[in-house]
Amino acid sequence: DSGVTQTPKHLITATGQRVTLRCSPRSGDLSVYWYQQSLDQGLQFLIQYYNGEERAKGNILERFSAQQFPDLHSELNLSSLELGDSALYFCASALGSNTEAFFGQGTRLTVV
Amino acid sequence: GEDVEQSLFLSVREGDSSVINCTYTDSSSTYLYWYKQEPGAGLQLLTYIFSNMDMKQDQRLTVLLNKKDKHLSLRIADTQTGDSAIYFCAERENAGNMLTFGGGTRLMVKP
Repeated sequence: DSGVTQTPKHLITATGQRVTLRCSPRSGDLSVYWYQQSLDQGLQFLIQYYNGEERAKGNILERFSAQQFPDLHSELNLSSLELGDSALYFCASALGSNTEAFFGQGTRLTVV
Repeated sequence: GEDVEQSLFLSVREGDSSVINCTYTDSSSTYLYWYKQEPGAGLQLLTYIFSNMDMKQDQRLTVLLNKKDKHLSLRIADTQTGDSAIYFCAERENAGNMLTFGGGTRLMVKP
């Protein structure tokens, strides 16, 4: 158990809908990263937050947004969902911005 | 941009050594990582190596880094069926701290 908790584990929703994925980092970790894992794109970095502030942005679509709250948990919001958004979404956390990242179990999103 | 490449598949017999290879392009990488992903599970950090090291050993795992050739390898000694999984190599940018992953190598261990 990495100590990073993601909910829900599975999510099935229809195209055009909006969903929110939640991540609770390890106790004391300030950095949260979001990754998308799909069969065709592999593991893609989406966005990083550090202590509530956006730190780095990767290949995140405009339909997607994220935030990190004062209690350091983070949410990834995916809207106007398309079939191609079906993937595993991972959250990872790290103590600071220069340490190894520990991953949650992921949320499997299926868009039908 | 950065690129991390791995071979797709490796098959070994139980008890043999496995060597999983990875190449990367970013010469400013500071840390290089190996993660393991079992079916339906998340990514488990196995080990990492700092770019000024050549080798790191941790029980059955040996990481070798050839910085000149930008080549990283993970050797698993006495491979067991429980080692069957996908292994991801990742490098961390010097700035920004995001991890860039390779496509993963599926290791199959035959009894």
